[in-house]
Amino acid sequence: AQSVAQPEDQVNVAEGNPLTVKCTYSVSGNPYLFWYVQYPNRGLQFLLKYITGDNLVKGSYGFEAEFNKSQTSFHLKKPSALVSDSALYFCAVRDIFLTGGGNKLTFGTGTQLKVEL
Amino acid sequence: DSGVTQTPKHLITATGQRVTLRCSPRSGDLSVYWYQQSLDQGLQFLIQYYNGEERAKGNILERFSAQQFPDLHSELNLSSLELGDSALYFCASSVSGTGDGYTFGSGTRLTVV
Repeated sequence: AQSVAQPEDQVNVAEGNPLTVKCTYSVSGNPYLFWYVQYPNRGLQFLLKYITGDNLVKGSYGFEAEFNKSQTSFHLKKPSALVSDSALYFCAVRDIFLTGGGNKLTFGTGTQLKVEL
Repeated sequence: DSGVTQTPKHLITATGQRVTLRCSPRSGDLSVYWYQQSLDQGLQFLIQYYNGEERAKGNILERFSAQQFPDLHSELNLSSLELGDSALYFCASSVSGTGDGYTFGSGTRLTVV
């Protein structure tokens, strides 16, 4: 089964500074990787995905992620953090069921990002 | 607004009761997925439907069942509710059944008292 790991429960960064939220993956085959953000009492909002192509993926709200096959990582980055970026961030990988042809997202445990003035 | 509609937004019910959660996928999306989010288990996949047929099953309890109707909306039925079933239940949809993109609804918060 595919899996992702988010090694940090919380990341603190000052507004205006660059931010990185880490994610490593374990897959067989080519990974489909995703980042989602969850604000309090809200659903999961899609930020970006990597399926194939350029290793640097640009997404919503100025976020980007770098796919690194040798390090099996897919870290989320933003050059300049905003207080409004404070939220819970989830890395996820698509997992395929061999029988039935279905699929699902397997999520990491989430990283709480806190951006302070 | 993601285009995936979940109702109700909040639900409070007693142990032993049965509830139905509803999800309308984005227009044109054929796949519907259900997830449970709780503090101790995180985000867990429950079940996937594609164009009315069950495609994949995850850690879904036998007390839970789901279906997707001809108009593509889906319902998740939770019965004999226990305190531990209190969670946020998300629905997601995608155009195809291959999982190259998932759009989530805002969820239904279920509280079992």
